[in-house]
Parts: sequence; C-alpha cells; structure tokens
Amino acid sequence: KQEVTQIPAALSVPEGENLVLNCSFTDSAIYNLQWFRQDPGKGLTSLLLIQSSQREQTSGRLNASLDKSSGRSTLYIAASQPGDSATYLCAVENSNYQLIWGAGTKLIIKP
Amino acid sequence: SQTIHQWPATLVQPVGSPLSLECTVEGTSNPNLYWYRQAAGRGLQLLFYSVGIGQISSEVPQNLSASRPQDRQFILSSKKLLLSDSGFYLCAWAGDPSYEQYFGPGTRLTVT
Repeated sequence: KQEVTQIPAALSVPEGENLVLNCSFTDSAIYNLQWFRQDPGKGLTSLLLIQSSQREQTSGRLNASLDKSSGRSTLYIAASQPGDSATYLCAVENSNYQLIWGAGTKLIIKP
Repeated sequence: SQTIHQWPATLVQPVGSPLSLECTVEGTSNPNLYWYRQAAGRGLQLLFYSVGIGQISSEVPQNLSASRPQDRQFILSSKKLLLSDSGFYLCAWAGDPSYEQYFGPGTRLTVT
C-alpha cells in the first residue's frame, strides 16, 4: 500500500531564504507526482506535476525534483516571500488516476 | 480554458437532514471527476471518483453517495447527515494528456 510522508510538518523561515520541502513515497510504481498549495480555508492550487519519466519541473521560483528509485521528491522555493506562506501538499498518482496524499508541510515566511 | 465550479461555498445543516453538493466543469470533455473531504486539521480523503457518466467508484464506506448525471457534472449526496460529515468538500477534475488534477474552491459543510 502506497504511503506518502512529508517532512517537516511545519517550517518557519525569514523572508528571502531558499528552502526545501521533502516528500517520500513507499512504492515507486507511480504515474506522476504533484505538488499543491493550499491557503487557509481555500481549495488547492496545482503548482507542479512531474511525470514518472521526468526528473524535475520548474515554474518561476519553484523547482520540483523526482527520484523514483529512492521514492523521493523535493520542492525547492527560491527567495521566499511572505505570500508563499501556505500549506504545501505532495501527492502521487497511481495507474488508476487516484492521488495518494501526504499530510502537508505548513510554511510560514516571516517578513 | 477549463474552469471548475462548486456550490454552495458554505452550508450549515442539522443532523439527519439531506445533502446535495454540486460540481461542474467547463472547457473539457470526458474528464475524470473526484470528490474529496478534508476534516479540520487532517489530510485529504478521496470519497468518490468517476471516469465517465454513470460510473462511480467509492473509496470509503459511509452514508454519502455520488452521481454523475452528465459528462461534466458531479453530485455528492446524503439522505441523512451525521455530525462526522462536517468538513471541507473538494471537487477535482483531471483529463488528457497529463491527468493533472485541478480543484474547485470547495464547500465548507458544518453539521449541527
């Protein structure tokens, strides 16, 4: 059974720092991996999707990497801003198009 | 471009009352559709998913049901709500080519 773990559960850093969020999964047979952002009381916003055959994806200040063999993905945020404060969720998709979710990392960027 | 709508945005219902939440998608055809629930301080739980009209798969046994009467419409229902049904309900769609999931704004349900 696929399990997804996100570390740390919470992170607080000063504005301007670069940071890394971690996601690990137990079964490497995944279709893709997605990173999402959720603001308090809001829906989810898709940030990046990495297909199982890809190693990384970039969007602006965000870079996500995928190492399927070791069951790991990282989300790198460069030059963090207070507006980046949110909960970041990692999810892996199986061959039935279902997402298995991590519990999230709550990120606070201090001005 | 594709958009996904959910309504209502918030709902307060007494225990034992019925429920109907609606989700519609625009700008795509034959999407996969999903209902999730997020309880306070908890992760997302997949409730139902559908790969086509009338095709519903349930992930969690409960007093909720789902229907897909049209290609881009997904409805979550209950005949009698329980206190434990309170939560944030999210609808999502995915489609060709990447099957990346996109979420609606959610419905916050409070059962009193």
